[in-house]
Amino acid sequence: AQKVTQAQTEISVVEKEDVTLDCVYETRDTTYYLFWYKQPPSGELVFLIRRNSFDEQNEISGRYSWNFQKSTSSFNFTITASQVVDSAVYFCALNAGGTSYGKLTFGQGTILTVHP
Amino acid sequence: AAGVIQSPRHLIKEKRETATLKCYPIPRHDTVYWYQQGPGQDPQFLISFYEKMQSDKGSIPDRFSAQQFSDYHSELNMSSLELGDSALYFCASSLAGQAGPEQYFGPGTRLTVT
Repeated sequence: AQKVTQAQTEISVVEKEDVTLDCVYETRDTTYYLFWYKQPPSGELVFLIRRNSFDEQNEISGRYSWNFQKSTSSFNFTITASQVVDSAVYFCALNAGGTSYGKLTFGQGTILTVHP
Repeated sequence: AAGVIQSPRHLIKEKRETATLKCYPIPRHDTVYWYQQGPGQDPQFLISFYEKMQSDKGSIPDRFSAQQFSDYHSELNMSSLELGDSALYFCASSLAGQAGPEQYFGPGTRLTVT
């Protein structure tokens, strides 16, 4: 069975602070894929990143960066210099087994509030 | 770029009624997924289709059924609605041929059962 845990239920920061959202996953599969999605107050789910289990390189995209560590089964997400528009619920998700149509198992989500 | 289209965006039904949700995937995407998100919860996988065949099944109640049509759009049919079915229903689509594909989500249909 697959499981994703986001231990931080809510995080509150002031604009321009850096913030890291934690994600820990469980799977017995050796091939799997990890994702982050953003759900702003409007409700849609916005794809942010996909990472496969064979690629442990960190990734940076603008103010966003991701740290994948297989040794600790973690896939953490950092927002640098946070902005009010970053306020949203962030979900980490797992697709295990490596099929081309596999379901996503989501974590419980972290509510991020960025105050001006 | 074209996105996933879901209709209707909002739906209000009474208990024991039926509802049909529609999903139009991104052009050329051949795989469709349905998720249910209760208030304050994470999305839960219901069912998926690849090339009009069911490819995976999650915690979908027997009162629900779904199918994918020849033009790749999908419909989720919900019968004998219960108060607990009130949720945001997402459809997502992806392109087969890539393991662990990126799933792109529609805006969701908010179903309220009274």
